Amino acid sequence: EDQVTQSPEALRLQEGESSSLNCSYTVSGLRGLFWYRQDPGKGPEFLFTLYSAGEEKEKERLKATLTKKESFLHITAPKPEDSATYLCAVLRNTDKLIFGTGTRLQVFP
Amino acid sequence: DAGVIQSPRHEVTEMGQEVTLRCKPISGHDYLFWYRQTMMRGLELLIYFNNNVPIDDSGMPEDRFSAKMPNASFSTLKIQPSEPRDSAVYFCASSPRSSGNIQYFGAGTRLSVL
Repeated sequence: EDQVTQSPEALRLQEGESSSLNCSYTVSGLRGLFWYRQDPGKGPEFLFTLYSAGEEKEKERLKATLTKKESFLHITAPKPEDSATYLCAVLRNTDKLIFGTGTRLQVFP
Repeated sequence: DAGVIQSPRHEVTEMGQEVTLRCKPISGHDYLFWYRQTMMRGLELLIYFNNNVPIDDSGMPEDRFSAKMPNASFSTLKIQPSEPRDSAVYFCASSPRSSGNIQYFGAGTRLSVL
């Protein structure tokens, strides 16, 4: 059965304290791995898509990487405005995304 | 573009009542998805459409749930009768075929069934 697991469930960081969020997956026929950001009271907002092991994508303080079993979202020198829930999702050989339950990130000044 | 528009933003109803959630996708998008989000189960896909045709409704929890897409600019998700366990945030998302499956989400409808 396809499975997407994110860890940790919650993460508290001091401003400037770099860290990584993990998304491990068990899925056959992976076509892509997606990262989304979700702010309270809003819908998820697309960040990155990764298609193959070894691929990396960067956007401001965020960098996403992908292996054959997991993806990491690295946050470098985070700021309070990076506080949000970060969701990963996998795409199989259909048009359906399977989402993990997310990591709630809080960055304190 | 205004993005995906959902209405209402909040809905409070009593058990047994019919609830209709509405979604206007981004113009030109081929796909429309309905999700439900809860603390316990996260974001779950209920049903999705391609060019107004339902493709996969395997996530619809039971016969009380139904979804329609009468045209490319409008979709509804209906719950009849509603139950307290249906309380959740319901999201609509749309996606163009050319986007590599990137989905664009609306702001959601928070449903509370008392």
